[in-house]
Amino acid sequence: DGGITQSPKYLFRKEGQNVTLSCEQNLNHDAMYWYRQDPGQGLRLIYYSQIVNDFQKGDIAEGYSVSREKKESFPLTVTSAQKNPTAFYLCASSSPQGNTGELFFGEGSRLTVL
Amino acid sequence: AQSVTQLGSHVSVSEGALVLLRCNYSSSVPPYLFWYVQYPNQGLQLLLKYTSAATLVKGINGFEAEFKKSETSFHLTKPSAHMSDAAEYFCAVSGISNYQLIWGAGTKLIIKP
Repeated sequence: DGGITQSPKYLFRKEGQNVTLSCEQNLNHDAMYWYRQDPGQGLRLIYYSQIVNDFQKGDIAEGYSVSREKKESFPLTVTSAQKNPTAFYLCASSSPQGNTGELFFGEGSRLTVL
Repeated sequence: AQSVTQLGSHVSVSEGALVLLRCNYSSSVPPYLFWYVQYPNQGLQLLLKYTSAATLVKGINGFEAEFKKSETSFHLTKPSAHMSDAAEYFCAVSGISNYQLIWGAGTKLIIKP
């Protein structure tokens, strides 16, 4: 079945460590996204990529980095520069053909900083 | 600028009662509007979407929403709540770019037995 796979589902990190969250999709979608979710704040866009080898900052990109070397993959690195990284991270994708903005989501990765 | 307001961070209804979750938006262009559902510790799933066709949109799990341009609203309803409807619901509007959705803060639906 087609879909988006995020890993790991749960991740613990010590302060000062970088961590990378994986996101893989087999929907043949060109666009991919990373969102951060905190209680009561909805979803906030970190980065998005419309095409391979290209990506744009979202509303809260500071302290995060991404790469898009393959169409299927869009990993997110949470760096030590991110001051409050404990959150639920969601990866999504969309198809631009006739795009109405509909997103397909992975099941999320919960990062906890100890 | 586009924005989305969901009235009520928590809504509690009895099983079998009407579900009404409110969403108001502002948009400078004809909007696309969405409702997504999120079960605990999971990703979001599309419930329904409005893309300038019929103003009454039917979605999955018996939910529907009506686009009212004069009221800039897109409220989500279900005639009879079921325990399995307990989840968080998010309203979203398309931004200037189709690559960016503007999200509401979410409404947690609680179903009382």
